[in-house]
Amino acid sequence: IAGITQAPTSQILAAGRRMTLRCTQDMRHNAMYWYRQDLGLGLRLIHYSNTAGTTGKGEVPDGYSVSRANTDDFPLTLASAVPSQTSVYFCASRLGGDSDEQFFGPGTRLTVL
Amino acid sequence: GQNIDQPTEMTATEGAIVQINCTYQTSGFNGLFWYQQHAGEAPTFLSYNVLDGLEEKGRFSSFLSRSKGYSYLLLKELQMKDSASYLCAAFQGSNYQLIWGAGTKLIIKP
Repeated sequence: IAGITQAPTSQILAAGRRMTLRCTQDMRHNAMYWYRQDLGLGLRLIHYSNTAGTTGKGEVPDGYSVSRANTDDFPLTLASAVPSQTSVYFCASRLGGDSDEQFFGPGTRLTVL
Repeated sequence: GQNIDQPTEMTATEGAIVQINCTYQTSGFNGLFWYQQHAGEAPTFLSYNVLDGLEEKGRFSSFLSRSKGYSYLLLKELQMKDSASYLCAAFQGSNYQLIWGAGTKLIIKP
C-alpha cells in the first residue's frame, strides 16, 4: 500500500444509517487519528489511538466510535448518521516520537441527507 | 483555554515573498507544525519547530517564539503552485495531540 489509505472516497448516506469509514496504514505507525474538516473550522479531532489496543476521545467524539484491534487498521463508525456529520473525514498516523509528523490519508467526503 | 489564530486569507504576487502568521495559546506546548493543503487534497507536512528561531528549508522557512506564542511561515519566490491553505498546529506533548488552526488560504496572482 505504501502509506495510508481510506475507503470509501466519498459516500452519500441517509440519516439514521450506520456507516464505517475505513483507514489502513502500512508504515507501522503507533498512533492514529480521525479528524473531520469543515469549512472555516479547520481540523477537529474525533478519536485517536496512541497504540494498538487503546483509543481515546478527541474534541468532537459524540456520535462516533473507533476500534484499534491491530497496528494497521483504525475504522471509524457512525452508529446512526445525522446531517451535522456531513464533512470531510481524514485519517492520519504518526510513528510516535515527539517530532514525528502526522501523515494523512486522502480523505472521505461524507454527505448525510 | 486553547486557541490558535491565523489569518483566513492572504493574497500575494508570483515571485514575491509572503509571511503567514500564527499565534497560539495551548497547555503543554511542545512544538509547532506547519502543513500545506491544496484544495480537495489531504494536508502535507512542511515544517516542525520546537526551539526558538528560524528553520529554513528551500523556499520555505518557519519561525517560532515560544515566549510570545507566535510562529510564522515564510514563503519566498512564490509560484502559482503555492496557492493552497496553510495550517499551523500546536503539538501538545502531554497527550501527543495537535491543536489545529483553521488555516490560511493563500491566493497567488500572476
